Amino acid sequence: SQELEQSPQSLIVQEGKNLTINCTSSKTLYGLYWYKQKYGEGLIFLMMLQKGGEEKSHEKITAKLDEKKQQSSLHITASQPSHAGIYLCGAYYSGNTPLVFGKGTRLSVIA
Amino acid sequence: GAVVSQHPSWVICKSGTSVKIECRSLDFQATTMFWYRQFPKQSLMLMATSNEGSKATYEQGVEKDKFLINHASLTLSTLTVTSAHPEDSSFYICSAYGPGNTIYFGEGSWLTVV
Repeated sequence: SQELEQSPQSLIVQEGKNLTINCTSSKTLYGLYWYKQKYGEGLIFLMMLQKGGEEKSHEKITAKLDEKKQQSSLHITASQPSHAGIYLCGAYYSGNTPLVFGKGTRLSVIA
Repeated sequence: GAVVSQHPSWVICKSGTSVKIECRSLDFQATTMFWYRQFPKQSLMLMATSNEGSKATYEQGVEKDKFLINHASLTLSTLTVTSAHPEDSSFYICSAYGPGNTIYFGEGSWLTVV
């Protein structure tokens, strides 16, 4: 089974609406990264979370790490077409180890 | 800030030939680098861990004789796809831990085998 479950797999929202993407680990997290990717391009770093309960925000994007649930959520407020893309969460389970990625969430924002 | 650079960004090669992709840490040293592969509409899958001065560690199902990894210096790891076939066409991307124990990704390399 997948170590890191990301949901939903795809999401279509109307411009201006809020949305949440979740990433749940089956193992104890050491830390978690959120990235955005457009097809054919590299990864755009969004946020890194390390401590349980940690919450970070950048512009209209907020990410939280729930240590008890081993889960992270990415919340976008008042979505815009520029938010469209693939969102990936990547977890690491100890220091200096590679990230394990979720399957990604494909976000479309429609006018 | 810390940068990981990959080269080339795009490469097309003929079936049966070999192609080399470079991953450089530009302003920090990386004893370990990670190579990922991403097929269309799929997520990133770890291929191997590149260790400076020693053999790479490959993930299950990744052919070490086909995907040769060399990490000869603290700032450079190379991935060579040998005897490439169309099914090797993919997006290859590397990463390394840099300052602040933060992981940094290269820009990625698109390989098309024709």
